[in-house]
Amino acid sequence: DADVTQTPRNRITKTGKRIMLECSQTKGHDRMYWYRQDPGLGLRLIYYSFDVKDINKGEISDGYSVSRQAQAKFSLSLESAIPNQTALYFCATSEGRVLSYNEQFFGPGTRLTVL
Amino acid sequence: LAKTTQPISMDSYEGQEVNITCSHNNIATNDYITWYQQFPSQGPRFIIQGYKTKVTNEVASLFIPADRKSSTLSLPRVSLSDTAVYYCPLYNQGGKLIFGQGTELSVKP
Repeated sequence: DADVTQTPRNRITKTGKRIMLECSQTKGHDRMYWYRQDPGLGLRLIYYSFDVKDINKGEISDGYSVSRQAQAKFSLSLESAIPNQTALYFCATSEGRVLSYNEQFFGPGTRLTVL
Repeated sequence: LAKTTQPISMDSYEGQEVNITCSHNNIATNDYITWYQQFPSQGPRFIIQGYKTKVTNEVASLFIPADRKSSTLSLPRVSLSDTAVYYCPLYNQGGKLIFGQGTELSVKP
């Protein structure tokens, strides 16, 4: 079984709908991240969480919200989806060792289309 | 975090050594240099990281000059399966990676 899973893998929705993307991990990592990727571009950080009680905005948080329900679960919500939120969304996890590099492990991605 | 700049694309042939350079002129003292590989419709996968000088693992080498304003990922004897996009995000003590546009490497037979 994959260490980082995302559901759904594909989703088509309409403008104005609320949608939630879910991420679960079995790696026991404290840190979790949400990124979006647009065609031909790199990944941009939306939100990140270093533990259950810690939520931080990334580069492009407007229009998104997150919930860290448990150490293993981190959800991304689009309260009112708009077409320019059509993208590939990735969840990632990492350890939280201080003063050290922490490799990030990515999920398989969720392809979201907003019509 | 400092931005990174890479060539948009590169072509190579099987069996050749490929060197991909990343520019990070504004790198901070505490930033690590990392490289990730991404195949279509998959999440990025970590390849290698370093702080200075040279680092080598079982799949690649990373060369970092003394001023740390650039880095070079070296892939020895590439195969068709190395066709992918390669990113060089910097990592700081805040635990964040900032990705640039990436280099699309195409390996031909």
